Amino acid sequence: KAGVTQTPRYLIKTRGQQVTLSCSPISGHRSVSWYQQTPGQGLQFLFEYFSETQRNKGNFPGRFSGRQFSNSRSEMNVSTLELGDSALYLCASSLRGQGLGETQYFGPGTRLLVL
Amino acid sequence: QQQVKQSPQSLIVQKGGISIINCAYENTAFDYFPWYQQFPGKGPALLIAIRPDVSEKKEGRFTISFNKSAKQFSLHIMDSQPGDSATYFCAASNSGGYNKLIFGAGTRLAVHP
Repeated sequence: KAGVTQTPRYLIKTRGQQVTLSCSPISGHRSVSWYQQTPGQGLQFLFEYFSETQRNKGNFPGRFSGRQFSNSRSEMNVSTLELGDSALYLCASSLRGQGLGETQYFGPGTRLLVL
Repeated sequence: QQQVKQSPQSLIVQKGGISIINCAYENTAFDYFPWYQQFPGKGPALLIAIRPDVSEKKEGRFTISFNKSAKQFSLHIMDSQPGDSATYFCAASNSGGYNKLIFGAGTRLAVHP
C-alpha cells in the first residue's frame, strides 16, 4: 500500500503571497490531519478533516485553512504569508480519526520557505 | 494543561547502551500516548504506543513505562544501535479529540559506535 503523499515537497514563496499544499492519504483512510513543524514551536496540530468536514482545529490564525475532497484527499492553504510561516507542513492519515489509539501515518512533509 | 514536557533535549549513548527519554503531562483526559521516531527528511513514524490502563509495553528493544499517578511516561531503547540515531517525540491525545496529537518538544538521540 502506498503511504501518505504530499506535494510539493519544497516550496519558496515571498511574504504576502498565498500557498496551497496537497495531501493524498493512504488508500481507505478517511481522516486527514495537518501539523506544522518548526524548530522553535515543534510539532503543532493545525486541523483534522473527516468526510469533507473539519472536526477539530488547532490554535492558528484564520490565514490557515483547509479542505477535504470526497476522495479524502486534502489541501491546506495559507494566505498572506509571513516569515514565521516557514516550516515543515506534515499531513497524517488514519482510518476513521476516532482517537482510541488509532495509528496516524505521516507523510514526508512539504517544506515551505517564506522570504 | 495541553502541554507535554519532554526531556532531555538531546542524548548521546554508546552502542549497546540504554537510551531513556522522559515525558510528563498535565491533562488527565489524555488516554493515548504514542512515541514517534523521525529521521531527517522524513515524517514522524509511530514507534510504540500505550494506553493508561497498562504500566508497561514492550516491542522488541523498545519499552514504554507509564506512571499514571505521576502523569509521566518514558521510552527505553535497549541495546541502542547507530541506526536508532533520530529524533524521538512523545505525544498524547484523548479519544474525543479526533486524533489531535499534542507533541513533546523532541529528543535528538545520537548513538555512537
